[in-house]
Amino acid sequence: AQSVTQLDSQVPVFEEAPVELRCNYSSSVSVYLFWYVQYPNQGLQLLLKYLSGSTLVKGINGFEAEFNKSQTSFHLRKPSVHISDTAEYFCAVSEGGGNKLTFGTGTQLKVEL
Amino acid sequence: GAVVSQHPSWVICKSGTSVKIECRSLDFQATTMFWYRQFPKQSLMLMATSNEGSKATYEQGVEKDKFLINHASLTLSTLTVTSAHPEDSSFYICSAQLAGGFRDEQYFGPGTRLTVT
Repeated sequence: AQSVTQLDSQVPVFEEAPVELRCNYSSSVSVYLFWYVQYPNQGLQLLLKYLSGSTLVKGINGFEAEFNKSQTSFHLRKPSVHISDTAEYFCAVSEGGGNKLTFGTGTQLKVEL
Repeated sequence: GAVVSQHPSWVICKSGTSVKIECRSLDFQATTMFWYRQFPKQSLMLMATSNEGSKATYEQGVEKDKFLINHASLTLSTLTVTSAHPEDSSFYICSAQLAGGFRDEQYFGPGTRLTVT
């Protein structure tokens, strides 16, 4: 069965600093990987996804993530964060091309002035 | 495009009563919809997968008689929490998969916060 681990529950960072949100997954088959953002009292919005091909994936709002199969990781990065990036970020995986998503516990990104 | 709405956005009900939550795909048809539950500071847990015109598939540990799901059309799925108890209080989120789209494309609703008193 697939699982997702987000080691950091909270990440504080100053505005314009770079940030990395970590995600590791466990699966015995090929996977699709996703990052979603959730603003307070809102649903999830897709940031980016990895299905196949290039391991470096670029998404919306300047975010990117790199799929590392050997380390079973899919860390999310942004070179310079903005106050408006403050939100909850969820990593998710679907196994074997299926449509069931398994989510990590989320990372609260708090951008400070 | 690809907007999913939920109604109501929040609801308070008394213990023992039932409450219905609607999930609508506003500008696309969705053959498959998913219902998730999210506890405070925790992740989304998939409750069930519903396909238009057929019975929902529930995840292990989810009581199908308590959480009734109806996917009557390509744009509407409903979740009814029957005989609600305080432990059912949670944030319920639906997502919809674009009919004919890639299996990875799910669009999420804004969620419904249920409080059972």
